[in-house]
Amino acid sequence: QSVLTQPPSASGTPGQRVTISCSGSNSNIGENSANWYQQLPGTAPKLLIYSGNQRPSGVPDRFSGSKSGTSASLAISGLQSDDESVYYCAAWDDILTRPVFGGGTKLTVL
Amino acid sequence: QVQLVQSGGEVEKPGASVKVSCKASGYTFTSYGVSWVRQAPGQGLEWMGWISANNGRTSYAQKFQGRATMTTDTSTSTAYMELRSLTSDDAAVYYCARVPGGGGSSILEYWGQGTLVTVSS
Repeated sequence: QSVLTQPPSASGTPGQRVTISCSGSNSNIGENSANWYQQLPGTAPKLLIYSGNQRPSGVPDRFSGSKSGTSASLAISGLQSDDESVYYCAAWDDILTRPVFGGGTKLTVL
Repeated sequence: QVQLVQSGGEVEKPGASVKVSCKASGYTFTSYGVSWVRQAPGQGLEWMGWISANNGRTSYAQKFQGRATMTTDTSTSTAYMELRSLTSDDAAVYYCARVPGGGGSSILEYWGQGTLVTVSS
């Protein structure tokens, strides 16, 4: 049972904009920024968005993050076939005093 | 460029221990920490703990307290994670990841390629 809640799946067609939600609580997303990771099949996760809405060097600006209250969202615009991946949200939890993850959302590009 | 290269896959018997290494390059090892995360087959990510490469300070998830030990060797820029008393539930891919030096972060900036640990009698 993950501390952060994500939908297990999402889908979209090429060129479309999709969003993936991540629901938490006051002790994690409510007080701290969310980070997002992309895990392509058979590979290690990769940092996609950090500190809520910052992109590491090399991550296209099609990827963006936002937060509202105790929920965070990842938006992907101009969907491409190689965006098909599992996306995880994460945040620091002030009560557990450790990072917590969502269960992951498998994105399918139709 | 930043790289974290982990040791190869391991097959261990129940009750045994496993030690995974993570060799860092491309940055000043002691300016960052290393977190360990595992992923059971078909499952999500589970944070195990963190070690400061600067002073060796550690923080473990409660679940792994007393069973996992994280260490570093600054002379070789290598981090280690040892897990004892293995059960079938410990079968997973184990990842190391670089984190900002101060700890207390869920920003795992760079990841190793993963080490598959199989537990089988």
